[in-house]
Amino acid sequence: DAMVIQNPRYQVTQFGKPVTLSCSQTLNHNVMYWYQQKSSQAPKLLFHYYDKDFNNEADTPDNFQSRRPNTSFCFLDIRSPGLGDAAMYLCATSRDGPHQPQHFGDGTRLSIL
Amino acid sequence: GESVGLHLPTLSVQEGDNSIINCAYSNSASDYFIWYKQESGKGPQFIIDIRSNMDKRQGQRVTVLLNKTVKHLSLQIAATQPGDSAVYFCADLGAGYQKVTFGTGTKLQVIP
Repeated sequence: DAMVIQNPRYQVTQFGKPVTLSCSQTLNHNVMYWYQQKSSQAPKLLFHYYDKDFNNEADTPDNFQSRRPNTSFCFLDIRSPGLGDAAMYLCATSRDGPHQPQHFGDGTRLSIL
Repeated sequence: GESVGLHLPTLSVQEGDNSIINCAYSNSASDYFIWYKQESGKGPQFIIDIRSNMDKRQGQRVTVLLNKTVKHLSLQIAATQPGDSAVYFCADLGAGYQKVTFGTGTKLQVIP
């Protein structure tokens, strides 16, 4: 059974049109992460939540925001998607922090028209 | 900056042979290392991890070796199967760091 679920699996949006990607988890983990992964590249961390505490990576564009309304759900908002934002977006969780394995969802592939 | 990198972008192995995937890391303060497997169209899947106070750890058909002297990590897969075909990422966490850094990935192709 999937423990980290991302919806939708594929998302198409128009240039500049806001889009929201969703992630839910059944593991009751404290930490949730969002990664961006472009073709043939390693996942790149955008930000993470430790419980309700938001931690943004220094090089994450302001265009990317996140919300975590409760333990189970986390959202990635892209306010004005550009062509360079086309990528796979991966959500992951870990129980208490980066010193533990992360459990990934299968990602949302975002295309920009 | 600190980085984790892999020596080979693609590795082809005959089914039934053993596979060895190598990884070099540059942060001598790294204290936690993880291997992930990513199949096409899926998210990374945890395989095995090792902490810096160990030099070897074994799982089911997989072994991770850590050589802190030369800052080298390897993943050994015994009796490689077609289902092992994937991209393998090593990742490390430096002491005092708040995030895991992924290496560039090695694509493992299993030849039937």
